[in-house]
Amino acid sequence: DAKTTQPPSMDCAEGRAANLPCNHSTISGNEYVYWYRQIHSQGPQYIIHGLKNNETNEMASLIITEDRKSSTLILPHATLRDTAVYYCIGLQGGSEKLVFGKGTKLTVNP
Amino acid sequence: EAEVAQSPRYKITEKSQAVAFWCDPISGHATLYWYRQILGQGPELLVQFQDESVVDDSQLPKDRFSAERLKGVDSTLKIQPAELGDSAMYLCASSFNGEGEAFFGQGTRLTVV
Repeated sequence: DAKTTQPPSMDCAEGRAANLPCNHSTISGNEYVYWYRQIHSQGPQYIIHGLKNNETNEMASLIITEDRKSSTLILPHATLRDTAVYYCIGLQGGSEKLVFGKGTKLTVNP
Repeated sequence: EAEVAQSPRYKITEKSQAVAFWCDPISGHATLYWYRQILGQGPELLVQFQDESVVDDSQLPKDRFSAERLKGVDSTLKIQPAELGDSAMYLCASSFNGEGEAFFGQGTRLTVV
């Protein structure tokens, strides 16, 4: 598993873009970057994943640097319901373990 | 929409008693995970199944914890005897075939008194 580093906490104003960084300098060429979030008292929820191209879905966008040593999860218009802990995980796939770190606690303020 | 079902949602038990949690993954998902999450920390993987086989249980405290998935569908996690330090959220997740997009249940909140 690639070791990832995330800031422990971030704040964002409601309606603004939330940009959550993740460093994964030891990621290997075939390891995907996955993002999950966990709203208080719920199980984690898959958001998005990518290998080297930028990805977008209905929840978020994922920007991966060309050297693949870091990535940014973007919530384009954060709402109060986006307040959660966001986890960045490096994973090869197959039967590899899905290992969570401490994540970033994002607080969206009104 | 298909969901991972877990029961019970909440459990209070006395230390030294036995406790069991049940998980029913999304139909067709071959991979099933059990995680433990202590308040303020990220989920910690306890055991991972591929169909009925354990593929990883390196973090499972085997002296008191056991997990089974006999028919490769639903699963049970058991603790015997429970200790105060076992108080945590126990999460079950499943994925189609071990890829990174896993679906989590709501969890079982265990309190050992």
